Amino acid sequence: QVLLQDSGPTLVKSSETLSLTCTVSGYSISSGYYWDWIRQPPGKGLQWIASIYGRSGGTSYIPSLRSRIAISMDSPRDQFSLRLGSVTAADTATYYCARRTRAWSFDSWGQGTLVAVSS
Amino acid sequence: QTVVTQEPSFSVSPGGTVTLTCGLTSGSVSTGHFTSWYQLTPGQAPRPLIYTTNTRSSGVPDRFSGSIVGNKAALTITGAQADDESDYYCVMYLGGGIPVFGGGTKLTVL
Repeated sequence: QVLLQDSGPTLVKSSETLSLTCTVSGYSISSGYYWDWIRQPPGKGLQWIASIYGRSGGTSYIPSLRSRIAISMDSPRDQFSLRLGSVTAADTATYYCARRTRAWSFDSWGQGTLVAVSS
Repeated sequence: QTVVTQEPSFSVSPGGTVTLTCGLTSGSVSTGHFTSWYQLTPGQAPRPLIYTTNTRSSGVPDRFSGSIVGNKAALTITGAQADDESDYYCVMYLGGGIPVFGGGTKLTVL
C-alpha cells in the first residue's frame, strides 16, 4: 500500500518561497507514475499545479504559475518537493501531494498541508 | 478556455439516489476525457472513487457508480448514507498535459 505524507511550513511570509515535501512509502517513485501537487484555497475548489514523472524526472506545470514554480524529486529518499516563489495571499491553500496514473486519475493522496501566506 | 462544470450543491434523502454531473462549457464529455471522481471530507485525505469514467477505485462500494449521461460524466450514489455527506470533485484530461478539476459539488444528506 502506497502512502504519501506531505510536510513543510504552515506559514510563509508574502514575497518569500513556499517549500513542501512529500514522502512516499510503499513504492519507489523512480519506478513510474506521475507525482503531483494539487492545491485548494479556502472555500474554493481543487487546482492541479505541478507534476513530475518518476522514471524520467520530466515536469509539467499549470501555465499561470510557470514563472515561479518548481517541482523536483529525490529518488533515493522517495521524496518529491514543491517550491513556489514570490507568494502572495492568493497562494494561501491546502496543498496536497498525490500519485497520478497514466489514465489521469489520482490514486493516492497525502493528507494535505494548509499553508497560509502572511503579510 | 473550456471549463469543467459541476453543480455547486445537491441534497439527497437517506437511502435515496443522487446523480452528480461533470460537464464542459464547450463540447460533450467522452471516455477520452478520462473522468475521475473524488470525495473530500474535512481533515481526511481525498478519497478516490471512480477512474476512467466508470471504474471503481479499490475498496469503493458498488453503490457508487460512474457513467456518461447525455453529454456529461456522472457519479451516481444509490442508497445514500449520512457519511456520504461530503464535497465531490471530478477531474478530466482536456489536453495539453494538464488535468482540470471541476468546481466541486457539496452533497447534503438530509
